[in-house]
Amino acid sequence: ETGVTQTPRHLVMGMTNKKSLKCEQHLGHNAMYWYKQSAKKPLELMFVYNFKEQTENNSVPSRFSPECPNSSHLFLHLHTLQPEDSALYLCASSQGDFPTVTDTQYFGPGTRLTVL
Amino acid sequence: ELKVEQNPLFLSMQEGKNYTIYCNYSTTSDRLYWYRQDPGKSLESLFVLLSNGAVKQEGRLMASLDTKARLSTLHITAAVHDLSATYFCAVDMLPGNTGKLIFGQGTTLQVKP
Repeated sequence: ETGVTQTPRHLVMGMTNKKSLKCEQHLGHNAMYWYKQSAKKPLELMFVYNFKEQTENNSVPSRFSPECPNSSHLFLHLHTLQPEDSALYLCASSQGDFPTVTDTQYFGPGTRLTVL
Repeated sequence: ELKVEQNPLFLSMQEGKNYTIYCNYSTTSDRLYWYRQDPGKSLESLFVLLSNGAVKQEGRLMASLDTKARLSTLHITAAVHDLSATYFCAVDMLPGNTGKLIFGQGTTLQVKP
């Protein structure tokens, strides 16, 4: 266990559904991240939050909406997704001093998302 | 645009053999990471390399960094079955420590008895 938890672990949703992924870190870190891991593609950074401020949106479609209410929690709100959005969504956290992030990222177990 | 390329992408080797995984990146970066991922599991941090010439070792794995050549290597010594996994290298997207990592495609290592 890395100290980063994600729920749910598996999610199946239709294209018209709205769902949310949750990430919680118990490491006292200040930075949190969302990544997408698709089959046969490199891990892709989606969003970065540092001290609750979004510091990176890596050209992610607006059907993905992140929320970081505090340094320990990170959400990814999903709506009107497409089948090609099916992937493993990984959350990570790391220590940092704004605006830099200075430490290794620790990953959660991921949410396996299937969009029908 | 920063690109990170690993080779080989797939490696099948016998137990007891040595081999090296290569990670090339296209622009300067202040740090390089190696991660391991077991099937169906998340990523586990292996090494962080912070400077030119850095070398780190843990068990049968040794990682090195040559920032001038923009190359990192992960050397496996006397492989054992437990090392079977996918290994990723990653570099920071921008100068400075931004946490915005670009990952390589991953190298899937299969160690056969």
